[in-house]
Amino acid sequence: EAGVAQSPRYKIIEKRQSVAFWCNPISGHATLYWYQQILGQGPKLLIQFQNNGVVDDSQLPKDRFSAERLKGVDSTLKIQPAKLEDSAVYLCASSLWDSSYEQYFGPGTRLTVT
Amino acid sequence: AQSVAQPEDQVNVAEGNPLTVKCTYSVSGNPYLFWYVQYPNRGLQFLLKYITGDNLVKGSYGFEAEFNKSQTSFHLKKPSALVSDSALYFCAVRDIKAAGNKLTFGGGTRVLVKP
Repeated sequence: EAGVAQSPRYKIIEKRQSVAFWCNPISGHATLYWYQQILGQGPKLLIQFQNNGVVDDSQLPKDRFSAERLKGVDSTLKIQPAKLEDSAVYLCASSLWDSSYEQYFGPGTRLTVT
Repeated sequence: AQSVAQPEDQVNVAEGNPLTVKCTYSVSGNPYLFWYVQYPNRGLQFLLKYITGDNLVKGSYGFEAEFNKSQTSFHLKKPSALVSDSALYFCAVRDIKAAGNKLTFGGGTRVLVKP
């Protein structure tokens, strides 16, 4: 079974530029999550999709971050414009729809904003 | 609000000795509890979970965890640590009655197993 795929693996941009990350979840997983993991901290949920609908985006900085999951499969997370404090690893995860199921994580995208 | 505390930033243990990584949680309802491990430059890997039933949960790679409701703890254990267990370990909790089923992670505990 293929795992969660993410691209790119690494990205370096200057502040005020824009960037986009892509995620393809495990086939059949209805729920998709984007997390931000700042160095030395645990992952923090940015947004959760159930199929192509948003379940929770309470911690997404909506003035600069946006995400979509068209057709309920793969997803894109965008930052525009980026700030220095956005430097982090962005993790995508997916799971079956029931909340008792574990989440499966992709390898992450390491973003450096200079 | 739900929260997780991992009181130790790092745990050092000699190979072959028992390993314990501590986790306490706070939720308003009943919890679902998870442990994940993260190796360098890799995503998180699921180790084990407590949903209901037996308080002692067995997971991957010889790890187990004990759910203690009175102490609101879910400590991760391994009877005999290996050098390859050196990694970053995260405890996570989900309040099953909270809207959105959000998973909240602790800050992580780095485990270093010395030969």
